Amino acid sequence: AQSVTQLDSQVPVFEEAPVELRCNYSSSVSVYLFWYVQYPNQGLQLLLKYLSGSTLVKGINGFEAEFNKSQTSFHLRKPSVHISDTAEYFCAVRSERGGADGLTFGKGTHLIIQP
Amino acid sequence: KAGVTQTPRYLIKTRGQQVTLSCSPISGHRSVSWYQQTPGQGLQFLFEYFSETQRNKGNFPGRFSGRQFSNSRSEMNVSTLELGDSALYLCASSLDGTPRTEQFFGPGTRLTVL
Repeated sequence: AQSVTQLDSQVPVFEEAPVELRCNYSSSVSVYLFWYVQYPNQGLQLLLKYLSGSTLVKGINGFEAEFNKSQTSFHLRKPSVHISDTAEYFCAVRSERGGADGLTFGKGTHLIIQP
Repeated sequence: KAGVTQTPRYLIKTRGQQVTLSCSPISGHRSVSWYQQTPGQGLQFLFEYFSETQRNKGNFPGRFSGRQFSNSRSEMNVSTLELGDSALYLCASSLDGTPRTEQFFGPGTRLTVL
């Protein structure tokens, strides 16, 4: 089984400032890693994913994430946030072998952009 | 290409009733997964269907069931509703359901149990 920890439930940031949303995972098997964003009253949208290869992954809307196997982390970053980035962000993992768990999500981080 | 659609978007039921939620995947997608989202437990995997067969199941009681039709549309059913079943139910579709394949989520059905 896997588990995902998002250490910050809320992150307030001023507009145009950089932001990092932290994600740590635990798994006894190799996993794929994902970041999703959820805007109010909407479903989830995939920001980026790590499957293999380069540990720095670039996604949509200027976001990027770095996979660190030794620290079992997959932190999400953006160099300059915009008011439209206000949303809930979820880190998720899934076993490379598939199985009964589907996607395992963290509790989410609410990114609040202050003007 | 149309996205994942879920109907209805909002639903109010009372304890003890049963409910059926519907999900239409993206055209060509054969895998449909269901997730429950609550403030307390977050996002939890319910089950996954592929080609009309349940392939994976999360840790939910038997009151939660689902099915998939030959056109890949899926329904989930919750019987004997409890207050704790109030949640946003999200459906996600993917081409083949393999772990590395992207899942596309619908807007969800918000179920309120009174």
